Amino acid sequence: DAGVIQSPRHEVTEMGQEVTLRCKPISGHNSLFWYRQTMMRGLELLIYFNNNVPIDDSGMPEDRFSAKMPNASFSTLKIQPSEPRDSAVYFCASKASGTGELFFGEGSRLTVL
Amino acid sequence: SQQGEEDPQALSIQEGENATMNCSYKTSINNLQWYRQNSGRGLVHLILIRSNEREKHSGRLRVTLDTSKKSSSLLITASRAADTASYFCATDKLGGLQGAQKLVFGQGTRLTINP
Repeated sequence: DAGVIQSPRHEVTEMGQEVTLRCKPISGHNSLFWYRQTMMRGLELLIYFNNNVPIDDSGMPEDRFSAKMPNASFSTLKIQPSEPRDSAVYFCASKASGTGELFFGEGSRLTVL
Repeated sequence: SQQGEEDPQALSIQEGENATMNCSYKTSINNLQWYRQNSGRGLVHLILIRSNEREKHSGRLRVTLDTSKKSSSLLITASRAADTASYFCATDKLGGLQGAQKLVFGQGTRLTINP
């Protein structure tokens, strides 16, 4: 199994630009989570999906952030426009129904200049 | 807001010693999990303990759960340099759809094992 796949691994962009982060969950997993990790705030849950439906997006910082899951094998997290304070590592994780264990991707390190 | 709070924030010990990390949480839970994160990598699941369990073992790991005190501990015995990493506890809230439970992480304990 390839595990959770995220892209890009690193992204450096300028303030105001649009950023799109991508995630491919493990096949057969029906829950998908987007987390953001910073030194100051630790791991924050941004949004999670169950069976491709957004269940809780209360962690999304503001309207500049949006996430989609058009099918069971793909999700995107978009930031438009990006700001320097969005710089962080963004993790995608998935899990199978009825289980508790999350499987994380290697993360996308975003730097907004 | 974060559900779990780890203690200590950082721990440095000699190889071969035991390492103990603690986690406290605020609301009733279905289960509590511990994860490990090596620098620059994603989190990796270590162990899950259910709310009706008090202790669980996995290799050199021992986890305890005290629901009356809303706390858990992770013990790593006979530590090795390769155990150097950050360790996080994570909790999900009691109730709601099992398949849709969200997992909230603490701030983590940075463990350093000195050779």
